[in-house]
Amino acid sequence: DAGVTQSPTHLIKTRGQHVTLRCSPISGHKSVSWYQQVLGQGPQFIFQYYEKEERGRGNFPDRFSARQFPNYSSELNVNALLLGDSALYLCASGGRANIQYFGAGTRLSVL
Amino acid sequence: GNSVTQMEGPVTLSEEAFLTINCTYTATGYPSLFWYVQYPGEGLQLLLKATKADDKGSNKGFEATYRKETTSFHLEKGSVQVSDSAVYFCALSVDRGSTLGRLYFGRGTQLTVWP
Repeated sequence: DAGVTQSPTHLIKTRGQHVTLRCSPISGHKSVSWYQQVLGQGPQFIFQYYEKEERGRGNFPDRFSARQFPNYSSELNVNALLLGDSALYLCASGGRANIQYFGAGTRLSVL
Repeated sequence: GNSVTQMEGPVTLSEEAFLTINCTYTATGYPSLFWYVQYPGEGLQLLLKATKADDKGSNKGFEATYRKETTSFHLEKGSVQVSDSAVYFCALSVDRGSTLGRLYFGRGTQLTVWP
C-alpha cells in the first residue's frame, strides 16, 4: 500500500514568490494535516482538513493557505515567501486510533 | 496550553549502551502520547504510543510508559544499535476518540550511536 506521498521533494524559491506543495494521503484516510519543521526544531502545526473542511489552524500568518480536494489530496500554498519560510513541510494523513502517518516532506529553500 | 519538553541533545552512545530520553508534557485534557523517529533525510515514523495512564508503548526494543502523576513519557532502550541513530520526537495529542489528532511536538533529541 502506498504511504503518504508529497511533491515536490525539493524546491528553491526567491523571496516574494509563491509556492504550492502537494500531498496525497493514504488510501481511505480523510484527514490531512500540514506541519512546518524548521531545522533543529520539532514540527509545528499549520492546518488540518477533514472531509474538505478546515478543522484546525495553527499560529501562522494569512500568507499560508490550504485546501483539500474531493479525492482527499491537499495543497498548501504560501504567498510572498520570506527567508524564514525555509523549512521541511510535512504532510500527515489521519487514520484510526488517533495516529498520524507522515510523508517524507518537501524541503523548501527561500533565497 | 499543550506543550512537550524534551531532553536536550545531542546524545552520543556506544553500541549496546542503555538509552533514556526524557519527555514531560502539559496538556488540557487527557492526552495520547507518542514517540516519533526521523532518520536523516526522511519524514517522521511513529515509533510507539500510549493512550492512557500506566500504558506501556513498545516497538523495536524501545519502550515508554505513560506516567500521569509525573506527566512524563520517557523513552528507553536496553541496548542501542548504530542503526538507531536518528532524531527522536516526543509528541502529544488531545483529540481523543477521533481520527484528527493534531500533534504537539517537542524539539527533538539527536541520538548518535558509535560502533
